[in-house]
Amino acid sequence: SNVLTQPPSVSVAPGQTARITCGGNNIGSKGVHWYQQKPGQAPVLVVYDDSDRPSGIPERFSGSNSGNTATLTISRVEAGDEADYYCQVWDITSIHPVVFGGGTKLTVL
Amino acid sequence: QVQLQQSGPGLVKPSQTLSLTCAISGDSVSSNNAAWNWIRQSPSRGLEWLGRTYYRSKWYNDYAISVRGRITVNPDTSKNQFSLQLNSVTPEDTAVYYCARGTMAVRKGGDYLDYWGQGTLVTVSS
Repeated sequence: SNVLTQPPSVSVAPGQTARITCGGNNIGSKGVHWYQQKPGQAPVLVVYDDSDRPSGIPERFSGSNSGNTATLTISRVEAGDEADYYCQVWDITSIHPVVFGGGTKLTVL
Repeated sequence: QVQLQQSGPGLVKPSQTLSLTCAISGDSVSSNNAAWNWIRQSPSRGLEWLGRTYYRSKWYNDYAISVRGRITVNPDTSKNQFSLQLNSVTPEDTAVYYCARGTMAVRKGGDYLDYWGQGTLVTVSS
């Protein structure tokens, strides 16, 4: 089964770059997707298939995936980026084919 | 633009059945390119995928092992919606429940969830 490991929290000052990692065994062989969730709201897809952005998501959001680590990078962080971020993969060998990471709280200082 | 609108009760008694519906606009529950999912979220379990239904010349279902035997996800083509039924609920089933559309990733396969319903807090309590 696939366990995805995320840091519980990441803090960054406005205008700086935030990097949120998602660790998993050979995760580079899987498509990784990232969601942003603000309090009281449903998750929103911000990056899919490792590095693609849905329509309407700013270019400041980007993703990469290699080896055992996938990374969501948020450039020029704004106060409105403060949220929980979750990674997700599809793993047919897992008890849950849709597997989520535990989430990372991004705090904008 | 795809929109998913959830409906259903927010309070269910232990041992009874949790029932939620997700109405689809901007897409079809019978689409050959989408899957229709239920996910829940709680502080103790985080985001947990529960199951899905999808149409590929015929209807298919997949369910999480953790709820298999208690869960049914059904399409309703006449109303363009799909539903979740979870039987024999306990307080551990208390969570925010979401419906979501699944779309297959082109490069590496597997689904991502590109549209979500607004969420329904379901409390299991007598």
